[in-house]
Amino acid sequence: DTGVSQDPRHKITKRGQNVTFRCDPISEHNRLYWYRQTLGQGPEFLTYFQNEAQLEKSRLLSDRFSAERPKGSFSTLEIQRTEQGDSAMYLCASSRLEGPAKNIQYFGAGTRLSVL
Amino acid sequence: GESVGLHLPTLSVQEGDNSIINCAYSNSASDYFIWYKQESGKGPQFIIDIRSNMDKRQGQRVTVLLNKTVKHLSLQIAATQPGDSAVYFCAAVVTGGGNKLTFGTGTQLKVEL
Repeated sequence: DTGVSQDPRHKITKRGQNVTFRCDPISEHNRLYWYRQTLGQGPEFLTYFQNEAQLEKSRLLSDRFSAERPKGSFSTLEIQRTEQGDSAMYLCASSRLEGPAKNIQYFGAGTRLSVL
Repeated sequence: GESVGLHLPTLSVQEGDNSIINCAYSNSASDYFIWYKQESGKGPQFIIDIRSNMDKRQGQRVTVLLNKTVKHLSLQIAATQPGDSAVYFCAAVVTGGGNKLTFGTGTQLKVEL
């Protein structure tokens, strides 16, 4: 496994701009998760995909947020009209659907977003 | 809803000592738990997991204990090393659906030489 990779690692944007993050999960992992982490807090669940289907969204995921996983491989998370409150680390994780390790989520290094 | 909390925000230990990090959870439906280690600027790294049908599980230098009666789990690190310095999170899962993780706020472990 090459690990979960996220791009970019850091993003600085001005309030009102749109941003898009990319996540490449571990190959053959069917499930892909997005979490948000603010300083000093644990990650909070945003949404997850099973293959290309988005099966659950947290109420934290406002209408300005949209996530896709069109081919069941990589995923993108877009934030429109960014606000200063969106500043956080956005983490992606992936896991298998079957097997003894199916519940273990492996995380990427995250994308740190700063909204000025 | 689920909440997962940690008893101590910061734990300082001497190198070579054993560390114990505690965690409480509130949702009795949680049936799977994971401990993660997060170093500065990195994503959470899997350490060890335990299912609710177990009360103890051991890994390399780490042991997780689960007490379902009081909804409490702990992570024990033996012979703590400087490389163990990080923030440690426990996460609770109600399996069978999306298996989303509910994290606590974390414990900062500082290893003093």
